[in-house]
Amino acid sequence: EEQLVESGGGMVQPGRSLRLSCAASGFTFDDYAMHWVRQVPGKGLEWVSGISWNSGSIAYADSVKGRFTISRDNAENALYLLMNNLKTEDTALYYCAKDFRWRRLAVAGGSFDTWGQGTLVTVSS
Amino acid sequence: QSVLTQPPSASGTPGQRVTISCSGSSSNIGSNTVTWYQQLPGAAPKLLIYSNNQRPSGVPDRFSGSKSGTSASLAISGLQSEDEADFYCAAWDDSLNGSVFGTGTKVTVL
Repeated sequence: EEQLVESGGGMVQPGRSLRLSCAASGFTFDDYAMHWVRQVPGKGLEWVSGISWNSGSIAYADSVKGRFTISRDNAENALYLLMNNLKTEDTALYYCAKDFRWRRLAVAGGSFDTWGQGTLVTVSS
Repeated sequence: QSVLTQPPSASGTPGQRVTISCSGSSSNIGSNTVTWYQQLPGAAPKLLIYSNNQRPSGVPDRFSGSKSGTSASLAISGLQSEDEADFYCAAWDDSLNGSVFGTGTKVTVL
C-alpha cells in the first residue's frame, strides 16, 4: 500500500524557519514527481511546490517563491520542504502528495493520487 | 487566491444527479487537463478524475468529468449519502507556472 507520512510541523514565530519531511513507502519513490499542497483549516487547497522524479524540474507557487525550497532524497525515499522567513499567512496543514504519472520529466500538469495526512504549521508570535 | 472558480455549494437528494462547474482561463483549463479531487470531512483529498474525464481504478462510474474550452464539470449521478464532501478542480497554469486549485464546492445530500 502506498503511504506518505509528513512530519516537522509545529508552532514557529514569524521570520523563523521550519523544515517539513515526508516519508514514502509502498511504491518506487524515485519514479514519481512529488508535491506539497497546503490547506488552511476550513479553507481550500493551495498548491505550494512540486519536484520531478530526478529533481530536474522544480516549481513553486508565487506566494512562497524565494522563501521555500523543495528537495528530495531518493535513496531515503524522502521529500522535504525548507520554509524560510515564515509569515502568518503560511499557517496551514501541509500535505505531501504523489504525482501518479511515471517518470514525467516536468512537474507541470500532474494529478496527485496518494496523499499523506498532513502536518500542521502554525506561524504566530 | 484561487484562479479556478467553483460554486460554493451544491445539493441533491439521494439518487439525483448533481453537477459542479469549474471556470478558468486560457492559461489553465484552456490549455491543460483538469483534475478533480474529493475531500471527505477530516480526511486528505482523494483523486477522483484525471485528464478531464478519466477515473482511477476504484472510483465508481457515478463520477464523470468533462471539459469544454476554459470550463470543466464534474457530474455525480445516483447521489449517495457518502458523497457528502468538498470537491476541488485543479489544473496547471502556464502563466503562473504552477498548479492551481478551484475554490471548492461543498456537496450536501439532502
